[in-house]
Amino acid sequence: NAGVMQNPRHLVRRRGQEARLRCSPMKGHSHVYWYRQLPEEGLKFMVYLQKENIIDESGMPKERFSAEFPKEGPSILRIQQVVRGDSAAYFCASSPDRDTYEQYFGPGTRLTVT
Amino acid sequence: GENVEQHPSTLSVQEGDSAVIKCTYSDSASNYFPWYKQELGKRPQLIIDIRSNVGEKKDQRIAVTLNKTAKHFSLHITETQPEDSAVYFCAASRSGSGYSTLTFGKGTMLLVSP
Repeated sequence: NAGVMQNPRHLVRRRGQEARLRCSPMKGHSHVYWYRQLPEEGLKFMVYLQKENIIDESGMPKERFSAEFPKEGPSILRIQQVVRGDSAAYFCASSPDRDTYEQYFGPGTRLTVT
Repeated sequence: GENVEQHPSTLSVQEGDSAVIKCTYSDSASNYFPWYKQELGKRPQLIIDIRSNVGEKKDQRIAVTLNKTAKHFSLHITETQPEDSAVYFCAASRSGSGYSTLTFGKGTMLLVSP
């Protein structure tokens, strides 16, 4: 029963470096959502992707952040030139199709920027 | 956009007592309301959800109620156990454009003392 997989689980980057976070959805799921969780906060929506398409990126900062979900391989959230304020837990969730309401979360990647 | 308020931020109960967590939402078009449980350092896990065409839903010790007129929904946990201790998040979404991005509350830390 392979759930949503994320790696790495923990990532430490110095200011100015790039962070790449990967998410493999559950088997049979082709829809991926990325959320960010700051300490003591709830999760905030960032971006929604289907295979090869960004559907909604309204929650993603306009600069330094990008996301992709290629035909083959995991979805990737990329943060360029990281700053201390990017330190957070990044979760992805998947659903099988656009009509399914339920989203199932991965274990998250905890990014620390030093 | 949608705004979800959640109360209380912390809740301490004795084992066997009931716990109630309340959320309000702002977008009257929201039609799906899930609850997630997150243990420390773990992924959010979907524990129960309700759709806007239903007023109440139960699953063993957990129940959720929805008042569409007042735009609020609540999680009820009966006969609490120490393993219920976690952070609980409510969320709301509007699925009508073919997908549902979740707007989360800030969470309630539930502590169940033996």
